[in-house]
Amino acid sequence: KAGVTQTPRYLIKTRGQQVTLSCSPISGHRSVSWYQQTPGQGLQFLFEYFSETQRNKGNFPGRFSGRQFSNSRSEMNVSTLELGDSALYLCASSLKGAEETQYFGPGTRLLVL
Amino acid sequence: ELKVEQNPLFLSMQEGKNYTIYCNYSTTSDRLYWYRQDPGKSLESLFVLLSNGAVKQEGRLMASLDTKARLSTLHITAAVHDLSATYFCAVEAPGTYKYIFGTGTRLKVLA
Repeated sequence: KAGVTQTPRYLIKTRGQQVTLSCSPISGHRSVSWYQQTPGQGLQFLFEYFSETQRNKGNFPGRFSGRQFSNSRSEMNVSTLELGDSALYLCASSLKGAEETQYFGPGTRLLVL
Repeated sequence: ELKVEQNPLFLSMQEGKNYTIYCNYSTTSDRLYWYRQDPGKSLESLFVLLSNGAVKQEGRLMASLDTKARLSTLHITAAVHDLSATYFCAVEAPGTYKYIFGTGTRLKVLA
C-alpha cells in the first residue's frame, strides 16, 4: 500500500507570495491532518479534515487555510507569506482521525526569503 | 488546553547504556503515541499505548503508559548508534481530532 505523499517536497518563495501544498493520503484514509514543524515551536497542529469537512483548526492566522477533496486528497494554502512561515509542513492521514495512529508524509520544506 | 511535555529535550548517551524519556500530559486520555523522526525525515510511528498499564516493546525500546499519573515513558535498553533520532510523544485532545505533540527528545548515541 502506498504511503502518504506530499508535493512539492521543497519550495522557495518570497515574502508576500502565496503557496499551495498538496497531500495524498493512504488509500482508504479519510482523515488528513496538517502540521507545521519548526525548530523553535516544534510540531504544531494546523487543521484536520474528514470527508471534506474541517473538524478542527489550530492557533494559526487566517492566512493559513486548507481544503479536502472528495477523493480525500488535501491542500493547504498560505497567503501573504512571512519569513516566519519557513518550516517543514507535514501531512498525516488516518482512517477516521480519532483514537488511531497517524501516518505521516515526507513533508514539504518551505523557505520564505 | 492540552499540554504535552517531554524530558529531557536532549540526551547524549554512550552505546550500551540504558535511559528513559518521560512524557507528561495535562488532560485525561487513554491513548498515547510515540513517534521517531530521523534528521531531515518524516515521523515514523513506534508505539500506540491504548490503556492504563499498557506496555509495548520493540527491540531495545519499551514504552509504558500510566493514565492516572498522565505519564508515559520510553525506555532505551543497551543503546546503539542506530537509535539516534528525535522521539516524540503525542496525545489526542479527547473528541477534538487534534493531536498534540511533545517537544521531542533528541537522542544521540555515541560509539
